[in-house]
Amino acid sequence: AQSVTQLGSHVSVSEGALVLLRCNYSSSVPPYLFWYVQYPNQGLQLLLKYTTGATLVKGINGFEAEFKKSETSFHLTKPSAHMSDAAEYFCAVTLSGSARQLTFGSGTQLTVLP
Amino acid sequence: GAVVSQHPSRVICKSGTSVKIECRSLDFQATTMFWYRQFPKQSLMLMATSNEGSKATYEQGVEKDKFLINHASLTLSTLTVTSAHPEDSSFYICSAARGTNQETQYFGPGTRLLVL
Repeated sequence: AQSVTQLGSHVSVSEGALVLLRCNYSSSVPPYLFWYVQYPNQGLQLLLKYTTGATLVKGINGFEAEFKKSETSFHLTKPSAHMSDAAEYFCAVTLSGSARQLTFGSGTQLTVLP
Repeated sequence: GAVVSQHPSRVICKSGTSVKIECRSLDFQATTMFWYRQFPKQSLMLMATSNEGSKATYEQGVEKDKFLINHASLTLSTLTVTSAHPEDSSFYICSAARGTNQETQYFGPGTRLLVL
């Protein structure tokens, strides 16, 4: 079985500051890891994913995440926050193999202060 | 690519009626789709996995007779909430699996259901 822990249900940053959203996972087999963003009353949009290969993955809107197996982490970062980044962010994990279920973290609400 | 649509985006119905929600993958074929429910300020709860041409797999605690799922084609899955009650009011989101190993889920915009 797999699980995801997102540290910090709410994160506030100033516009232009570094964004760091934390995600730790547990998995008995190599995981596939995802970050999704959700704006109010909308579905989830895929920001980036790690399946295999390079451990630093770049996504849309300037976000990136690094898969660190030794730390079982997949933290999301962005060098400079923009007001439009304010949203709910979900980290998710699934097991490598054929079609499977996603296990989501509890989410982190990002607020960007002017 | 990888666009998933849902219809309707919002629906209000009377208690006791049935509501059908459609989920379509617009630019790819999806043998597997998923249905989620999301309560306010919470994460997504998987309700069921929908497989094209076969019966859906429901998560524990989800009534399959209440939440009917049909995945009749590679681009369409439907969720029917039968005899809806106010406690069924929620945000329902579908996703479609894509990728070499079907590992990536692309989500629809969601359907807000309000049962009066």
